[in-house]
Amino acid sequence: AQSVTQPDARVTVSEGASLQLRCKYSYSATPYLFWYVQYPRQGLQLLLKYYSGDPVVQGVNGFEAEFSKSNSSFHLRKASVHWSDSAVYFCAVSGNNNNAPRFGAGTKLTVKP
Amino acid sequence: EAAVTQSPRNKVAVTGGKVTLSCNQTNNHNNMYWYRQDTGHGLRLIHYSYGAGSTEKGDIPDGYKASRPSQENFSLILELATPSQTSVYFCASGGTGSQNTLYFGAGTRLSVL
Repeated sequence: AQSVTQPDARVTVSEGASLQLRCKYSYSATPYLFWYVQYPRQGLQLLLKYYSGDPVVQGVNGFEAEFSKSNSSFHLRKASVHWSDSAVYFCAVSGNNNNAPRFGAGTKLTVKP
Repeated sequence: EAAVTQSPRNKVAVTGGKVTLSCNQTNNHNNMYWYRQDTGHGLRLIHYSYGAGSTEKGDIPDGYKASRPSQENFSLILELATPSQTSVYFCASGGTGSQNTLYFGAGTRLSVL
């Protein structure tokens, strides 16, 4: 089955700074890749997804991610973070054969004012 | 708007007791999933379903059963609850192929004493 590694359990940045959250995946076929965000005491919500085409995909609230097949990565970026971006971010992978999505351990982002 | 509703939102159970977690979706999605969330592990897949009457084992199915009596409903059953099953449980629904974005419920916080 596929798997996801998010190497950074916690990331702290100052408001207005740029952000990159890392995601590495393992999957033998063409992956479908996702970033979800979880605010306190809530379920997860989709930020963005990649299926094919342009490796840079845009999401909500100024987030974007870049797919790299050679590096098996799907890193999330934002040019300028806001305090409201503080949350837990999950990377997930599935495939085009209807297999169930697998998630990474998540990265807790704290944005300092 | 896509909706996934979980009940109960909070549950305290005794060791050895039976616990049923319920999930209802109004998205008309074929696929439904149960995950548990634990610190350091992210979301781990317990069971999933491709449609009414079908259930599949995920990555950590031991100690859990699932039931999908209809398109809308998917239950997770702990026949003999143990303290190690104390966790937050999330239900999600999703489409197939490129439409497999997951829509999550708000979660059920289960404590087994």
